Parts: sequence; C-alpha cells; structure tokens
Amino acid sequence: QVQLQESGPGLVKPSETLSLTCSVSGGSITSYYWSWIRQPPGQGLEWIGSIYYSGSTNYNPSLRSRVTISLDTSKNQFSLRLSSVTAADTAVYYCARHTDDDLTRPFDYWGQGTLVTVSS
Amino acid sequence: DIVMTQSPDSLAVSLGERATINCKSSQSVLYSSNNKNYLTWYQQKPGQPPKLLIYWASTRESGVPDRFSGSGSGTDFTLTISSLQAEDVAVYYCQQYYSIPFTFGPGTKVDIK
Repeated sequence: QVQLQESGPGLVKPSETLSLTCSVSGGSITSYYWSWIRQPPGQGLEWIGSIYYSGSTNYNPSLRSRVTISLDTSKNQFSLRLSSVTAADTAVYYCARHTDDDLTRPFDYWGQGTLVTVSS
Repeated sequence: DIVMTQSPDSLAVSLGERATINCKSSQSVLYSSNNKNYLTWYQQKPGQPPKLLIYWASTRESGVPDRFSGSGSGTDFTLTISSLQAEDVAVYYCQQYYSIPFTFGPGTKVDIK
C-alpha cells in the first residue's frame, strides 16, 4: 500500500521560503507522476505543480515564478519550495500521486496534509 | 485555464434518498483521440485528504460503493449518490485533468436532512 507523508515547518514568515518534503513508502518514486496541491482553510483545492522521476516538472502558471519541485530518488522523496510567501499562501499542503505513468491522470494516493501558516 | 463550476453549493438529503451534484467545465474535457472525458470526482471528509471516487467521468475507483455513479460528457457532468448513507456526509469536488493547470470545482457540501 502506497503511503505519502508531508513534513516541514508549520510556520513560515512573510517573504521567506516555504519548504516541504513528501516521503513515499510502499512504492517507488521512479514511476508515476507526483504532485503538490494546496487548500486554504475552509476553501477549495489548488494544484501547485508536478514532477516525474526523470525530473521533468510542470507548474501552475499562477505560481510558476515562485515554485520549485524537485525529487530525491535515493530517499524516495520529492519536495516543494515556494518563495516570497504571503498570508495568502497559508494552506494545508498535500502531496499526491497521479494514477498512472502519465501527467494527465487524477490523484489516487494523497498524504494527510500539513498546515503551513504564513505569519510573522 | 479551464474553470470548473459546481451546483449546488450545498444540499441536504434524507438518508436513503438520492443526491445529485452537477459540475460544468468552461471548455470541453473530452479528448477526441480516445473519446475519454478527463474528469474526476473526489470526496473529502473533515480533516482528511480528498479520496478518489470516479475517474474518466464514469469509472468507479476500486472499493468505492456502487451507490456512487458519474455521468456526462464534454462540459457537463453529474455525480449521483443513489441512496445516501450517513458516511457520505462530505464535500465533493470535481476536477479536470485534461490540461494544465489542473483545476478543481469549488466543492459541494452534502449533509443529512
């Protein structure tokens, strides 16, 4: 059974960089596409971006200038960095797996999510 | 971007009754080369991540009860819960995976009447 677990600071100061890691167990990261998705408190879902094991990335244009997604195959992890954060970036951040070895697929496995609050 | 809308925003249904949620995309998510609709439905309960229910607009994910069904094509889609159970209380989201950026509907909250 594939499991994903997000980790990282729960509090980030405005203008700083948010950094999260998703650890994957029960399956290899060297297949499938992997994504980050966020959900502001009480609001809907926003796709941030995705990565393939080859290192190929795709980002939401609304965040592209501030987002970097990377992966570490030796640790079976992938990571998110979001720079110059503001209060609008406060959200629960989820990592998720696409259902297939194809970017245009839904998400079948999700982490439990981690709340990141942007505040001084 | 493909904009996803859902209706209603919320609904309350008696136990055992039918619940119907609509989802509309601002452009077609039907890929002509394979005749598949790149549309999925998720269920999210409080404090939990979304759970995949339906993909390709009408294919039920393994383990999902058959009271959940999806229909529609092109730009108009429906999620139906044929006989609402207490454990179905949740927010339901549609999502298109036809093109980047992948986008979600705003969600429909389902409660017991």
